[in-house]
Amino acid sequence: EVQLLESGGGLVQPGGSLRLSCAASGFTFSNYAMSWVRQAPGKGLEWVSAMTDTGASTYYADSVKGRFTISRDGSKNTLYLQMNSLRTEDTAVYYCAKAPSSSSIRRFDHWGQGTLVTVSS
Amino acid sequence: EIVLTQSPATLSLSPGERATLSCRASQSVSNYLAWYQQKPGQAPRLLIYDASNRATGIPARFSGSGSGTDFTLTISSLEPEDFAIYYCQQRTDSQALTFGGGTKVEIK
Repeated sequence: EVQLLESGGGLVQPGGSLRLSCAASGFTFSNYAMSWVRQAPGKGLEWVSAMTDTGASTYYADSVKGRFTISRDGSKNTLYLQMNSLRTEDTAVYYCAKAPSSSSIRRFDHWGQGTLVTVSS
Repeated sequence: EIVLTQSPATLSLSPGERATLSCRASQSVSNYLAWYQQKPGQAPRLLIYDASNRATGIPARFSGSGSGTDFTLTISSLEPEDFAIYYCQQRTDSQALTFGGGTKVEIK
């Protein structure tokens, strides 16, 4: 059974940093592209970032480009999101999501339960 | 960036009724359109991919259609567990991945 378990969320002040982790199990992590998607309280879904299976290609939404960095560690089956220069508008539940292929990131077939990031002074 | 517009924002129906949800893209996305269901406090769940293919384990009452810029998700006969928010999502090769604003299907 595919499982994605996010961690690392919490309360941080504007301008601060946070690193999210997503521990994957139940599938061969190194064979699949992965992504982060967020959802502000009471709002819709917003794609944040994605990475292909090998990490050779990374993609970012304009809203986080230059501030967030996606990475992965195949030895730990873990996806990361380093978030710097956080803004109040980054407050959201952050979901880790798996794509069903190695490099084509057109949809997400499995999702974690999410971790809440709150940016507030 | 391709904008996805979902309509209606809210659909009030009774169990057993047919639900028809629309998603319109600001430019062609070919058939690279997916649909997700999200219930309160839960992560989204993939229902339909490539416009018309049901994901694993999704009941046959869910169907998708369309191509280019106009897409439809149909629930043939609403079950109590189908009342939720539905999102469409696209990504073509050269574009950022985007979601629609969602349609809430509520009990009438």
